[in-house]
Amino acid sequence: NAGVMQNPRHLVRRRGQEARLRCSPMKGHSHVYWYRQLPEEGLKFMVYLQKENIIDESGMPKERFSAEFPKEGPSILRIQQVVRGDSAAYFCASKPGTGSTDTQYFGPGTRLTVL
Amino acid sequence: GENVEQHPSTLSVQEGDSAVIKCTYSDSASNYFPWYKQELGKGPQLIIDIRSNVGEKKDQRIAVTLNKTAKHFSLHITETQPEDSAVYFCAASIYNFNKFYFGSGTKLNVKP
Repeated sequence: NAGVMQNPRHLVRRRGQEARLRCSPMKGHSHVYWYRQLPEEGLKFMVYLQKENIIDESGMPKERFSAEFPKEGPSILRIQQVVRGDSAAYFCASKPGTGSTDTQYFGPGTRLTVL
Repeated sequence: GENVEQHPSTLSVQEGDSAVIKCTYSDSASNYFPWYKQELGKGPQLIIDIRSNVGEKKDQRIAVTLNKTAKHFSLHITETQPEDSAVYFCAASIYNFNKFYFGSGTKLNVKP
């Protein structure tokens, strides 16, 4: 029973390039969350998605960042025109659905380095 | 929005001793409080959680207590072992709103 999967685990980009981070939730989970973690800090909420819907994007920067969770395939966090400040670990979490447990299960993260 | 504060930022204990990590939250509507353990280079792993209708929960060497009036909750680890060494995060959320507000983390070092 595979857990939450994220790829790539490490991603290096130069300033101005695009970064695409992928998250496959646990089997049977239809809710996905993205969090960002800066070094030596806690995780900060970015966005909450269900299949084909963005439920809450209040933690997402207004520009350059976007997220999707299509009907088929993984959830994607996309960062356009990356800057050095985007360097961080990005974690995806999933849970089954509303009305079920609140527990979120986290993936291993993608560590983004912007040169 | 919710603000979660966590103390201490680092904690060093001798193997076999107990460790206590404390968190406070600001939003009285928060009603779900998970604790996560994060090892170096890995994602957070849930170790225990508590809901606001319960004051205490225990799972083997790990326990969590919640004081709704004072808006604080604590993680207690007894008989610590070197493999307990990691960064521990508390979090708070409101049921059905779902996003977690995390504390800043506590780096626990258990010395053999």
